[in-house]
Amino acid sequence: DGGITQSPKYLFRKEGQNVTLSCEQNLNHDAMYWYRQDPGQGLRLIYYSQIVNDFQKGDIAEGYSVSREKKESFPLTVTSAQKNPTAFYLCASRASGEDEKLFFGSGTQLSVL
Amino acid sequence: GNSVTQMEGPVTLSEEAFLTINCTYTATGYPSLFWYVQYPGEGLQLLLKATKADDKGSNKGFEATYRKETTSFHLEKGSVQVSDSAVYFCALSDSGAGSYQLTFGKGTKLSVIP
Repeated sequence: DGGITQSPKYLFRKEGQNVTLSCEQNLNHDAMYWYRQDPGQGLRLIYYSQIVNDFQKGDIAEGYSVSREKKESFPLTVTSAQKNPTAFYLCASRASGEDEKLFFGSGTQLSVL
Repeated sequence: GNSVTQMEGPVTLSEEAFLTINCTYTATGYPSLFWYVQYPGEGLQLLLKATKADDKGSNKGFEATYRKETTSFHLEKGSVQVSDSAVYFCALSDSGAGSYQLTFGKGTKLSVIP
């Protein structure tokens, strides 16, 4: 079954700690995205990557970092500089030239201890 | 810049009631419009889309028509079921500057009671 896998489903961060959220897709999609979802705020774009070894900042990139060393993987690191990291994080992918449809993972809930 | 405004929730309906969730947008150019649905604890799934003015998207009994003159893309369903309880997001595409991004509304939570 093709799809996007996010792990872990729940993650806890201590003060001053960096944590990494995993996103893996086996859809052979070129583009991948990270969104942050806060209650009543909808989805906001953190970073996106249209091709391996390339990525761009979205609307709220401060305090986050990403890498795209493999087509299948787009991990997101929430750094200690992100002062309000508690949120639901969603990863998505899209095929180039596709009909603009995004495929989403099931999300990671990050909370601060 | 682009923006999407959808009606505030939560919306609570009885089973078999008629559903309308309003969505209006602001965009440069000619975006595609989407409705995504999120069930509890899950990611988003595409529900329907429309790519040009007067197009109607439909799926699972839901419909929405791309109205350029009113910059709207309202979601409707004639008879909701308990299983339709979810959060619904209106979104538009932006293919400017050689990239592709979606701009989402804040979401509308729908609860359907038996």
